[in-house]
Amino acid sequence: AQSVTQLDSHVSVSEGTPVLLRCNYSSSYSPSLFWYVQHPNKGLQLLLKYTSAATLVKGINGFEAEFKKSETSFHLTKPSAHMSDAAEYFCVLGTASKLTFGTGTRLQVTL
Amino acid sequence: GAVVSQHPSWVICKSGTSVKIECRSLDFQATTMFWYRQFPKQSLMLMATSNEGSKATYEQGVEKDKFLINHASLTLSTLTVTSAHPEDSSFYICSAMGDSRNTIYFGEGSWLTVV
Repeated sequence: AQSVTQLDSHVSVSEGTPVLLRCNYSSSYSPSLFWYVQHPNKGLQLLLKYTSAATLVKGINGFEAEFKKSETSFHLTKPSAHMSDAAEYFCVLGTASKLTFGTGTRLQVTL
Repeated sequence: GAVVSQHPSWVICKSGTSVKIECRSLDFQATTMFWYRQFPKQSLMLMATSNEGSKATYEQGVEKDKFLINHASLTLSTLTVTSAHPEDSSFYICSAMGDSRNTIYFGEGSWLTVV
């Protein structure tokens, strides 16, 4: 069985401060892991993906995530939040035959 | 339980035929639904955005005459792959957004194999 757990349903940060969105996974297979962002009234946009290459993955808009097999985690980070980062973020686990979505984390960025 | 139901989960069809995939919101009214496609070991690709009662907005490179999307009611959107070919074989997934627009739910996905 495979599963994805996004540990926080809502995260609020001040503009200019670091962002940490947590994701843990469970998989019997070697996983592919993705982070997607969805802005209001928009479709999903891929931020970054891990597919068994480098464990530290850099994505768009300054986001990065580190795959830690020992901790079964794939947390998303950004050094400095911007107002435009306010959105819903999804961690997704992929295997050869299935995609499993996390429940999402809403990121709020305040002035 | 699931709040967005996608059907069928698996479908095999012959080349040249059409196949319909349904996406239903079970306990909320979905004013907007999104259709995605995923190729093996690739990320999701947004195909189109559909709003209830209006024509879908297709992403660049997606053939609207081949991938027909209908969102006739607030709880149902359908994706019809017309004149399917083997290269259309893929994983298709829908998501639905309600009126409040602060929550998005995903269907379980549909595997299409064209033989």
